[in-house]
Amino acid sequence: QVKLLQSGAALVKPGDSVKMSCKASGYTFTDYIIHWVKQSHGKSLEWIGYINPYSGGTNYNEKFKSKATLTVDKSSSTAYMEFSRLTSEDSAIYYCARVLDYWGQGVMVTVSS
Amino acid sequence: DVVLTQTPPTLSATIGQSVSISCRSSQSLLHSNGNTYLHWLLQRPGQSPQLLIYSVSRLESGVPNRFSGSGSGTDFTLKISGVEAEDLGVYYCVQGTHAPPTFGGGTKLELK
Repeated sequence: QVKLLQSGAALVKPGDSVKMSCKASGYTFTDYIIHWVKQSHGKSLEWIGYINPYSGGTNYNEKFKSKATLTVDKSSSTAYMEFSRLTSEDSAIYYCARVLDYWGQGVMVTVSS
Repeated sequence: DVVLTQTPPTLSATIGQSVSISCRSSQSLLHSNGNTYLHWLLQRPGQSPQLLIYSVSRLESGVPNRFSGSGSGTDFTLKISGVEAEDLGVYYCVQGTHAPPTFGGGTKLELK
């Protein structure tokens, strides 16, 4: 069955970067767009951007354009998101989602000195 | 960006009760291609969101048919006909008609 397995929780310092992964299985990776979504503690969801695994083409929310970089490795059916210049506002759970029908389990990122 | 306003923010229900959640958009969600990209998600406590309904009224595979969606333009409704315990959690509407995709603020369904 379709699964999206995300990397583990991360504790990072302000100003650092974090790179998280989303490994897809159970379907043809290049057939579906992968979205990334942010959920701050106890709050709603924010769309960060998406990547087309087939072409590598990306589309970002303007709010995250200078913050997030989306990539894929087709050979391992894995999508990546790198988040840079982290601040406390970036502490959140980050989800990958295949279109919107299947979601990863989320990565909790904590930014603290 | 399109703003989606969900009401009520919290909903208390008994098992078996029917409930409705409203999602109002700041712009029409009718795409120029004739489709309306308004979807509903459920996030159970401690879990990732899951897709319940897509394109206003289409039930995602495996989702019980007590869930139904309706609406057009800027006004949309999710109805649960007979709440069950497993339905508790936070419901979100999300639109994909206009870039960037945006989510409603959520409606928390809890037991009365």
